[in-house]
Amino acid sequence: GAVVSQHPSWVICKSGTSVKIECRSLDFQATTMFWYRQFPKQSLMLMATSNEGSKATYEQGVEKDKFLINHASLTLSTLTVTSAHPEDSSFYICILPGPSGYNEQFFGPGTRLTVL
Amino acid sequence: QKEVEQNSGPLSVPEGAIASLNCTYSDRGSQSFFWYRQYSGKSPELIMSIYSNGDKEDGRFTAQLNKASQYVSLLIRDSQPSDSATYLCAVSTSTGRRALTFGSGTRLQVQP
Repeated sequence: GAVVSQHPSWVICKSGTSVKIECRSLDFQATTMFWYRQFPKQSLMLMATSNEGSKATYEQGVEKDKFLINHASLTLSTLTVTSAHPEDSSFYICILPGPSGYNEQFFGPGTRLTVL
Repeated sequence: QKEVEQNSGPLSVPEGAIASLNCTYSDRGSQSFFWYRQYSGKSPELIMSIYSNGDKEDGRFTAQLNKASQYVSLLIRDSQPSDSATYLCAVSTSTGRRALTFGSGTRLQVQP
């Protein structure tokens, strides 16, 4: 089956620094990738939709200047958390719609970000 | 506000019992419904998907969908301690956007 990778799997950084998270599709080309975050004991919340070759679409309340998304190729999307603060500490997951139909969804393994 | 609602639990059942997890959704345009299991610190994994009214069975799991009542449930028969996890209900609409909307999850505890 399709495989999605994320790197790094976990990262600890100091407040004010920037962190880049990569999401790669290993088996198919993905024109769209969804970025979610999950705070402890809460659900996955959609942050933005990453579109290959065009600008990302951000959900209401998500700062696009803080969470920079670059869909550089059909197999790679990156999420950069700029000037990270402790409240950005979360579990970040990318989810890819599958190539064969709209009911398929492939999950990345997630990236645990801790900002000190 | 389009929402997916679940009881946060914890739902505690003895080993071997049936666990019943419920979910309601607000968007009548929802077309696809999913149940995911999530262990602490891990990404969710798909258990069941259901698209039409009625029941769908897969092993110990049965998903039930009632679009008129905007209700979807998951039954787990012969519950095992390894089933202890958080169960997320998710829906997607027919808009073509394909992004999933998740409920907040129900934590299930299966007591040995």
